[in-house]
Amino acid sequence: NAGVTQTPKFQVLKTGQSMTLQCAQDMNHEYMSWYRQDPGMGLRLIHYSVGAGITDQGEVPNGYNVSRSTTEDFPLRLLSAAPSQTSVYFCASSWSRDRVGSPLHFGNGTRLTVT
Amino acid sequence: GQQVMQIPQYQHVQEGEDFTTYCNSSTTLSNIQWYKQRPGGHPVFLIQLVKSGEVKKQKRLTFQFGEAKKNSSLHITATQTTDVGTYFCAGPGAGGTSYGKLTFGQGTILTVHP
Repeated sequence: NAGVTQTPKFQVLKTGQSMTLQCAQDMNHEYMSWYRQDPGMGLRLIHYSVGAGITDQGEVPNGYNVSRSTTEDFPLRLLSAAPSQTSVYFCASSWSRDRVGSPLHFGNGTRLTVT
Repeated sequence: GQQVMQIPQYQHVQEGEDFTTYCNSSTTLSNIQWYKQRPGGHPVFLIQLVKSGEVKKQKRLTFQFGEAKKNSSLHITATQTTDVGTYFCAGPGAGGTSYGKLTFGQGTILTVHP
């Protein structure tokens, strides 16, 4: 199993450009999520999905869109990139069938710079 | 909303010294998870604590969950250079359909000097 695969690893955008960060998992996990990591702020939840066709906002959703058409894929779209979106983005997945929760499996991350 | 606070933000130790990071929540947690992120890497799950007062050990790492289930700690005995990285605690989101989503602490960056 490849686990959680993120592409690209690095990306540089100009302000106003749009792009999609790809995330795929092959573990048949119900739950998928996107986090951004900034120095001193830990990991902040952007959007998450509890199954195909179901998405919801996390702590910092503004400027990002997601969709979940299949169990495997959970792309993150930046609509109009801003310098404040310069960050490292992690996709994660887990079984999470109940409130006790289950471990998150993270992808290797995408380092995004917006100039 | 729920907040998970983690201290210290940085810790520099000499190899062989002990290290502890603390995690405090504004609300009672049903469980708490700990992750380690090596420099340039991604977070990797270490352990989950569920019961009040629970203590779990993994070799030199000792994890504790407070009696009130609002705080937790990770203690490393006799640090090694392989322990370098950022340690995160994470608690589940509150109510509704938010099962599974985690709120992370800010992390503690551990540096070990040989």
